[in-house]
Amino acid sequence: QSVLGQPPSASGTPGQRVTISCSGSRFNIGSNYVYWYQQLPGTAPKLLIYRNDQRPSGVPDRFSGSKSGTSASLAISGLRSEDEANYYCAAWDDSLSGSVVFGGGTKLTVL
Amino acid sequence: QLQLQESGPGLVKPSETLSLSCTVSGGSINTRVYYWGWIRQPPGKGLEWIGSIYYSGSTYYNPSLKSRVTIFVDTSKNQFSLNLTSVTAADTAVYYCARHGGAYTGQFDYWGQGTLVTVSS
Repeated sequence: QSVLGQPPSASGTPGQRVTISCSGSRFNIGSNYVYWYQQLPGTAPKLLIYRNDQRPSGVPDRFSGSKSGTSASLAISGLRSEDEANYYCAAWDDSLSGSVVFGGGTKLTVL
Repeated sequence: QLQLQESGPGLVKPSETLSLSCTVSGGSINTRVYYWGWIRQPPGKGLEWIGSIYYSGSTYYNPSLKSRVTIFVDTSKNQFSLNLTSVTAADTAVYYCARHGGAYTGQFDYWGQGTLVTVSS
């Protein structure tokens, strides 16, 4: 069981806006930055959002991140077929001796 | 453009040691800003951070794997490596190396393509 909680699946039609949630605790999301990764089938994960809401160069502004308390969200607007992928949230966890923790991942299907 | 490439055996026997290396090209591993990390992904499952290392050799590990993991760096080869001892079938996974944005963050901004390691007799 993953430390960060994500819905296992999400879906939307082209052009729609979808959001993916990530729930944590005061030890991780509540006190540290959240990161989001996109993993296309058969490829390595790609950094999509860093420090809660920042986009690396080259990531379309259709992708946005937010954080409130111990939860975070990834929003994808203007959904496209190429957005079909697995999405993971991640954060540093201050409990015990510290660790990077990931969410279990959300499989996004573009209908 | 920074590139990372994993290398090592694709098959390891149970109870033996899994050893992988990650060669960094297009940039130096001797950077004071970044750590270098290992992440794994069992087939069909999610991501798990294994541990990370600084160019000086300072390390930190996932507490759940700490007793079996060693990560070390060879700056002369621009390479860092992973040893995981006493492996079982549960250690079967795609192993990725990545540039880690720094201690106490979840940021991995450059990734290798990953290498599948199967634990089986």
